[in-house]
Amino acid sequence: DGGITQSPKYLFRKEGQNVTLSCEQNLNHDAMYWYRQDPGQGLRLIYYSQIVNDFQKGDIAEGYSVSREKKESFPLTVTSAQKNPTAFYLCASQDRGNQPQHFGDGTRLSIL
Amino acid sequence: AQRVTQPEKLLSVFKGAPVELKCNYSYSGSPELFWYVQYSRQRLQLLLRHISRESIKGFTADLNKGETSFHLKKPFAQEEDSAMYYCALTGFQKLVFGTGTRLLVSP
Repeated sequence: DGGITQSPKYLFRKEGQNVTLSCEQNLNHDAMYWYRQDPGQGLRLIYYSQIVNDFQKGDIAEGYSVSREKKESFPLTVTSAQKNPTAFYLCASQDRGNQPQHFGDGTRLSIL
Repeated sequence: AQRVTQPEKLLSVFKGAPVELKCNYSYSGSPELFWYVQYSRQRLQLLLRHISRESIKGFTADLNKGETSFHLKKPFAQEEDSAMYYCALTGFQKLVFGTGTRLLVSP
């Protein structure tokens, strides 16, 4: 069954802690994306990667980091520098060109 | 700069009424426009794209380059259409989303 898998579904972070959100895809897509979804603000792009071992900052990259060591995987780390991390995080993948993006189920991050 | 504007945060209609969700964009080149939908407790998914020129679940959207608009329309709304709708534009290898419109269809 092809698709995008995000884990965990819910995640809690303590003050000063880094947490990592997982995103895996088996669609053989080149590009992967991380978005943050907040009420009334739509989806805002955090980071994206067009190819393995390369990634670019999106509109709100501060306080986040990513890696793209494998085509199938694009984990997002929410660092302690992100002062307002409570949000719903969506991962997406895309085939080449202007094809539609495919989204995961999301991870909801909350602060303890 | 690429920008997508959805002026309505909430659109509330009765079942059977026509629906129009507005979307305006700014982009210097030839954009590719999409509508994505997120039903309650489901993942965000593609509804339609302008190059397909197709009707999905009774929805259509026409790209108007003169008005830089890509409004989503349906002649008769159904309760199951209640969802969050996002207009999106792709260009320069990124997808830019609007802030979304929540459609609420009441019986």
